[in-house]
This record gives sequence, structure tokens and C-alpha cells, in this order.
Amino acid sequence: DAGITQSPRHKVTETGTPVTLRCHQTENHRYMYWYRQDPGHGLRLIHYSYGVKDTDKGEVSDGYSVSRSKTEDFLLTLESATSSQTSVYFCAISVPGNTEAFFGQGTRLTVV
Amino acid sequence: GQQVMQIPQYQHVQEGEDFTTYCNSSTTLSNIQWYKQRPGGHPVFLIQLVKSGEVKKQKRLTFQFGEAKKNSSLHITATQTTDVGTYFCAGMFSGGYNKLIFGAGTRLAVHP
Repeated sequence: DAGITQSPRHKVTETGTPVTLRCHQTENHRYMYWYRQDPGHGLRLIHYSYGVKDTDKGEVSDGYSVSRSKTEDFLLTLESATSSQTSVYFCAISVPGNTEAFFGQGTRLTVV
Repeated sequence: GQQVMQIPQYQHVQEGEDFTTYCNSSTTLSNIQWYKQRPGGHPVFLIQLVKSGEVKKQKRLTFQFGEAKKNSSLHITATQTTDVGTYFCAGMFSGGYNKLIFGAGTRLAVHP
């Protein structure tokens, strides 16, 4: 498996609180992605990054922000968590010229 | 917008039967990829198709990319219980900095 670590792996948080999920890679890959996975919706792209400090929105970016200050770390922040953001979040990485994506183990987030 | 539609959502088969899942995009894709996710796991890359009309095989799995590069299919011959999981297609669109858009997935159940 590619060197991708997501933290935390599980989290329960209250509505209205800020939450940050971390994706750390040891592969020095340029591209990083955050997806959420919900039954019936597959994997939906939230935000992605094509370099340090270079990010763009995906399909479902409302309510989420990201930051990438170092190649190895891509942070996903829920500014004020809502119950609709209860989901499994996956981080993925890929390299230019080889579009295969490697996924982390996922973070299960529950907003109560 | 950039969307990838995938059908069916679920498929139940008897062991030994064949299985097919289909993906369709409204716009031309740069390439299409296929992933498999086992229950409780993360998506794992299976294959990438790049050329118009391309056909690739991996043992009992056959992958096709349409002539117009807008549709694709995955066919499994003589399913086995080890084929259980969710199969996702993921389309890459031109100029998208390696942005991968996933279909909703097809969950395959194989009954012995």
C-alpha cells in the first residue's frame, strides 16, 4: 500500500463544532484529493490539490475548506459540522503522468 | 457539469454467473479507471483505459472503453465469492489537473 495515513480514523463530534481531518503521505506525490463516501452516492470529490497551496473545489465543496502548506499534508476542515456531513472520508494521492489514485484507509465521521 | 453515471447500483448473482457494470459520461473522457472496494475497505485501483475502443483483460475481468470515450464497461465471467465488493468507474476529464470523478458504484453480491 502507498504511504498514506489518515487521522483520526474515527471521530464523533457535535453539530456546530469545527473538525479537521488530516491526510499525510510519504510518497511525495503532487496530487491529493478528499472524497466522501455515502450509500448510493459512491465517492464524491470534495476538494483536491495539484501542488503546495494549489487547491480547487470538487463536486461537493460547500461547508468544507482545505489547506496544503506542505507536499505531504492535506487538511480537510469542516468549519461548523452538520449532521449531513456524517460520512466516511477518503484521502487519495496520484502523480502526474500516472493517474492511478491510491487511497487511504478512510475516516469515519459522525456528527450528532 | 462533469458527471459519471454508473449502473446498476446493485447486482446479486449466483456463483458462476456473469456480471457486468456500465459507466457513462456526458462529455469525452481523457481516460477511465476502474476500482474495487471490498466491504469495510478502501478503493483499490484495477485498471486504466486511455484509447478509444480499448479492451483490456485481467483473468476473468474484461474492461472496455467506448469508441467515443464516453462510456465503459466491466464484465466478470463466471463470478466467484472473492469477487464480492463494490466496483467503481472513475473518469478523468481534460484539463482537470488529474481530477477524478467517480461513478456511484455497483455493489456485487455473489451467492454460493
